[in-house]
Amino acid sequence: DVKVTQSSRYLVKRTGEKVFLECVQDMDHENMFWYRQDPGLGLRLIYFSYDVKMKEKGDIPEGYSVSREKKERFSLILESASTNQTSMYLCASSLNGYGISGANVLTFGAGSRLTVL
Amino acid sequence: SQQGEEDPQALSIQEGENATMNCSYKTSINNLQWYRQNSGRGLVHLILIRSNEREKHSGRLRVTLDTSKKSSSLLITASRAADTASYFCATVWGLTGGGNKLTFGTGTQLKVEL
Repeated sequence: DVKVTQSSRYLVKRTGEKVFLECVQDMDHENMFWYRQDPGLGLRLIYFSYDVKMKEKGDIPEGYSVSREKKERFSLILESASTNQTSMYLCASSLNGYGISGANVLTFGAGSRLTVL
Repeated sequence: SQQGEEDPQALSIQEGENATMNCSYKTSINNLQWYRQNSGRGLVHLILIRSNEREKHSGRLRVTLDTSKKSSSLLITASRAADTASYFCATVWGLTGGGNKLTFGTGTQLKVEL
C-alpha cells in the first residue's frame, strides 16, 4: 500500500521558534508538494519539488522554505513561526511530472496540525 | 484565480439519497479530479476525468464534465453515513510558459444522516 507519511500529526510551537515538518513517501514519486489548509480558503500550495534538490514556489511561499535532499523526503521549514501560520499542513506526492502534461494525481499524507502560540 | 468554486458549500442528506456536488472553474483544463477528505485527515483521490471525456463512473460515483460551461458535477448514489466527508474538485491546467498546475476548490462538506 503506497504511503505518504508526515512525521507529526499535532505540533504546538511558540512564536519565533524554528519548525520542521517532515514528509516521506515510499512510492518513488518524482514530485512532492506542501499545502496548507484553512477553513474557507481550501488548499493553497506553499512549495513543490519535481526532483531532488529542486524546489519551486507555490502560491504562498512567504515565511516558508523547503528542503529535498533525498527523493523520498520533503521537509517544510518555518524559520520563525508566527501565529498566522497556525494551520493544517498537508504533504502530497505524484508520479507524473508537474511540468509534463499528465494526470498529476496526488497522494496525500494524513496532515500535520500546527498551532503557534 | 483559477481556483474552482464548489456548490453547495455544505450539503446534508439522509442515508440512501443521492448527493450532487458541483464545481465551476475559469480557464481551459487538461483534466479535473475529485478528492475526498475525512475530518482532520489528508485527501484521497476519487476519480479523474480528462478534458475530452464527458462522463465517468467509479462504483457509486459518477462524474460529468461540461467544458463549454466550465463545470463538473460529482454524484454519489445511494449515500451511506460513511460518505460523510468534504469533497474537493481539483483542476489541472496549462501555464502560459509551459507546464501544468493543479488547483483545488474550496470544497463541499457532505453530511449523510442515518
